[in-house]
Amino acid sequence: QKEVEQNSGPLSVPEGAIASLNCTYSDRGSQSFFWYRQYSGKSPELIMFIYSNGDKEDGRFTAQLNKASQYVSLLIRDSQPSDSATYLCAVNKDSNYQLIWGAGTKLIIKP
Amino acid sequence: EAQVTQNPRYLITVTGKKLTVTCSQNMNHEYMSWYRQDPGLGLRQIYYSMNVEVTDKGDVPEGYKVSRKEKRNFPLILESPSPNQTSLYFCASSPEPPGSFTDTQYFGPGTRLTVL
Repeated sequence: QKEVEQNSGPLSVPEGAIASLNCTYSDRGSQSFFWYRQYSGKSPELIMFIYSNGDKEDGRFTAQLNKASQYVSLLIRDSQPSDSATYLCAVNKDSNYQLIWGAGTKLIIKP
Repeated sequence: EAQVTQNPRYLITVTGKKLTVTCSQNMNHEYMSWYRQDPGLGLRQIYYSMNVEVTDKGDVPEGYKVSRKEKRNFPLILESPSPNQTSLYFCASSPEPPGSFTDTQYFGPGTRLTVL
């Protein structure tokens, strides 16, 4: 089992709809959870981070964390073609100061 | 402008020829890290550094060396590159380690390395 798992996609969503991206993790001691966006050929950039169970909203983005079920998700409302990218989930390791990354989900927003 | 720079951006080399990829940040960050990114595997940490003269292995350190003699610089050294080190490499920095509730890492633009 991978430490951080994401569906590789591609996930195709119509423009204006809600895109839902999911991530599961194996380390129960993890405390910090991050969503990064990576455009093709570019470096990752932070979208959201979440530490507490529940929802965290920032503009069109909402991160959801459920530590009991060990999953974290990212919702993108009113999806735009510019949201087309690969979304990376990263989780800190409980034992040390490292991030473990999922392989990413490719999101395609269709006009 | 706050940034992380990497050089070179692209490099094609041959097996066994030593190379260095430089990384520099101008934000006075304590924590720096090297990742490699391969299709289907995501980002994997090679080495990280908590501060000057303090480095530690990540998940895939074999075949790599690093040094942190100055706060701003964190070069990645491949003493004897092999084809399985062909990858996209990213340097990153942050004020504190990622697990300490800091909110982001700043990534360099990436170095695409091909070892023939």
